[in-house]
Amino acid sequence: QSVLTQPPSVSAAPGQKVTISCSGSSSNIANNVVSWYQQVPGTAPKLLIYDNNKRPSGIPDRFSGSKSGTSATLGITGLQTGDEADYYCGTWESSLSTGRVFGGGTKLTVL
Amino acid sequence: EVQLLESGGGLVQPGGSLRLSCAASGFTFRSYAMSWVRQAPGKGLEWVSGISGSGDSTYYADSVKGRFTISRDNSKDTLYLQMNSLRAEDTAVYYCAKDIVGVSYAYHGMDVWGQGTTVTVSS
Repeated sequence: QSVLTQPPSVSAAPGQKVTISCSGSSSNIANNVVSWYQQVPGTAPKLLIYDNNKRPSGIPDRFSGSKSGTSATLGITGLQTGDEADYYCGTWESSLSTGRVFGGGTKLTVL
Repeated sequence: EVQLLESGGGLVQPGGSLRLSCAASGFTFRSYAMSWVRQAPGKGLEWVSGISGSGDSTYYADSVKGRFTISRDNSKDTLYLQMNSLRAEDTAVYYCAKDIVGVSYAYHGMDVWGQGTTVTVSS
């Protein structure tokens, strides 16, 4: 069970917008940056957002990230069928079990 | 092209050992912290271990502390994970990943991932 909580699944129609939440605590999200990853089953994860809201080169601006307090949110606009994948948030955990942590993952279905 | 290529996975009996390797190319390897992340069948991502660019600082998840050892050879642009006392719950695809920013292990995100190598622990 992860210290970062994500909804197991979200869905939306093509062209619509969807948000995926990542809930943590004062020992992780509140005091550390958040990143987001996309993983199509059977392939390696891909970095979408780092440092809460920055996009690596090549990531379209349809993907956005934000953080407030102990929670972070990934937003995806103009949904495409190719966006159907698992999405993970990640950050640093500063409690007794120090280290990098991921959320449990959210399956995005584009209807 | 920036690339990471893992190798060394396979089938091993409980209590056995394996050494994973991750060959890096296309970037200045010593300038970036590196990590191992694993994914058990049908499960989510789990961070396993990390190391600073110089190799001076190492970090481990509680689940592998005392059993796994991360290291790097900056002269060979290669990252390693020595896995001892393997358990069934260590069965997973193991990915190596490069930090997007910096030589220290401060977290920003991991921007380059290998294709993964599969470790199966079973008798």
